[in-house]
Order: sequence, then C-alpha cells, then structure tokens
Amino acid sequence: DIQMTQSPSSLSASVGDRVSITCRASQTMNKYLNWYQQKPGKAPKLLIYGASSLQSGVPSRFSGSGSGTEFTLTIGGLQPEDFATYYCQESYSSLRTFGQGTKVEIK
Amino acid sequence: QVQLQESGPGLVKPSETLSLTCTVSGGSISGFYWSWIRQTPEKGLEWVGYIYYTGSTDYNPSLQSRVTMSVDTSKSQFSLKLNSVTAADTAVYYCARLLRLGSYYYMDVWGKGTTVTVSS
Repeated sequence: DIQMTQSPSSLSASVGDRVSITCRASQTMNKYLNWYQQKPGKAPKLLIYGASSLQSGVPSRFSGSGSGTEFTLTIGGLQPEDFATYYCQESYSSLRTFGQGTKVEIK
Repeated sequence: QVQLQESGPGLVKPSETLSLTCTVSGGSISGFYWSWIRQTPEKGLEWVGYIYYTGSTDYNPSLQSRVTMSVDTSKSQFSLKLNSVTAADTAVYYCARLLRLGSYYYMDVWGKGTTVTVSS
C-alpha cells in the first residue's frame, strides 16, 4: 500500500504569505497526485490534478509541483478564503490514498 | 453545471447494510466514472470505489468484500451498498464524479455529503 504523508500537519500564516505544503509518497508514482481543499462542513474541492495541472476556475495563486515521491502545493499570496484544510491524494494505486491533511490557520 | 446529491438513511444498525444513492443533475451520467469517498475524524478521507456508467467497478481492496456499487442511467443515479457494517463504518459519505484524463483520475464534482451513523 502507498502511504501518503503530508507536512506540516498544520500551519499558521497571514494574509499575503506564500505557503507551501509537502506530500511524500512511500513509493514512486510519477505524477499521479491530486490536491484538494476542504472547508469545515463542506465537501473537498479539487485544486490540482496530475501533480501540476490547475483545475478550471481555481485561482492561479495555487500551484502544484513534483513527481515521483515528493510533491508540493504552493499558495502564492494567501487570501482569507484560503484558510482551510488541504489534502493530497494519489491516483496511482487502487487504494487512491489520501494524505492526513494540512490545516492552514490564520496567524 | 453538474450537481450531485447523496440520499439514504442516516442511521444503520450494526451488521446490517448501509445503502446510499447519489443523484446526478445538470449533466449526463453516461460517459463518466462515479465514485464514493468517506470521511471520519479518525481515518480521514478514504476512497471507497468507483463505478463506470456501463456498470464496471473498482473497489478499495480493504472494503471489496463488503461493497457493491450499481448504476441506473435511466434515473441518473448510482448507488452504494456496504454490508455487515460496524461502528467503524460511521462516516460522512460523499459521492463524486471521477474524471479520467489519460491515466490520471481525479474527482472534480462532489456532493455535499451525508452522515451515516452505525448504532443500535
């Protein structure tokens, strides 16, 4: 089974900050990696697929990079609506495992 | 704009079968993959499986022995059945559209989720 480990588990940041979240896979998986944003009481929302492709309608301040076992989600210029929990998900295996989440909080 | 809505009992007794339906509106169910995901505070988000509009399926191996998915294209609905439930199956269940781009799969439209509690 592929294990997905996100770091950090949580972070505090201010509006306007540049924020990066890392997702590490226990085995190589090319670019089969998606990123989702979830706000309390809401369903996850797709941000990035294929490690670096921006989903239609998602602001360009969100970007994804990486391949193999290490991936990064970057928010370039945090906005008030970006305070949420972010999850990575591998689409390489039939388990399609999610990371444990990274909560982005207001400093 | 495609919208998904989960429906089904919010309370299921242990050892019984959890049954949920997802209704697709604003778009066609045909031509797409449809998935179920669940979320608990303890385990986080967990992939349950998907069904193609033709009826072919792919389940999470850890749940495969208890899961059945079906699709009714005439009603624009797909369904999840999970049998022999225990308290560990208590979760928020989401349905979602699973897009396939080459060999990449990702969920671009989600339902709002429905809470299912397993308790006697």
